[in-house]
Amino acid sequence: EADIYQTPRYLVIGTGKKITLECSQTMGHDKMYWYQQDPGMELHLIHYSYGVNSTEKGDLSSESTVSRIRTEHFPLTLESARPSHTSQYLCASRKGHMGEAFFGQGTRLTVV
Amino acid sequence: KNQVEQSPQSLIILEGKNCTLQCNYTVSPFSNLRWYKQDTGRGPVSLTIMTFSENTKSNGRYTATLDADTKQSSLHITASQLSDSASYICVVSPGSSNTGKLIFGQGTTLQVKP
Repeated sequence: EADIYQTPRYLVIGTGKKITLECSQTMGHDKMYWYQQDPGMELHLIHYSYGVNSTEKGDLSSESTVSRIRTEHFPLTLESARPSHTSQYLCASRKGHMGEAFFGQGTRLTVV
Repeated sequence: KNQVEQSPQSLIILEGKNCTLQCNYTVSPFSNLRWYKQDTGRGPVSLTIMTFSENTKSNGRYTATLDADTKQSSLHITASQLSDSASYICVVSPGSSNTGKLIFGQGTTLQVKP
């Protein structure tokens, strides 16, 4: 059982609102990732971190921002949500670059 | 062109039948390859991991193969069950990446019908 948690599981918000998606892991993993996935489509990397105070943008451009102040916590923030941000957001973590990536259950975001 | 290509894109089989999913990759150098299962609306879960020195690995009714020379992997599902209906994703770890970035295939959607 993976010890990585995302909250909320589902979120419906209005356009222009600021939101933060939470991701926490208790496995002490150094590397953490955020992926965006539309229904039936592949995962796209939007942010990653290979340790505290290190964050990088992923392969897919995103208006979201992330922070990594603590090893176990990797929140993602949207300053002003838009309908185009409607998607599923998956958080993952792994130890080193050989370890298995463990995924959270995902946050299904709908912006109306 | 994607560095990890999966086929078929989707597959429908009857319960109890076997099936094989394919993954071709061009990632080099290569560290390891994993097959993940993703149920609808959930996060992916690892089924198997293959390093370049391994040819076959089994996990219950799932058997993965790897040919590092041709850069091909397959996932064979035996005696399929309704609960096998999911998306199966091939994920490659580059050997030279210090950031641990993973290369994802687009997935194969499997539907098992009674």
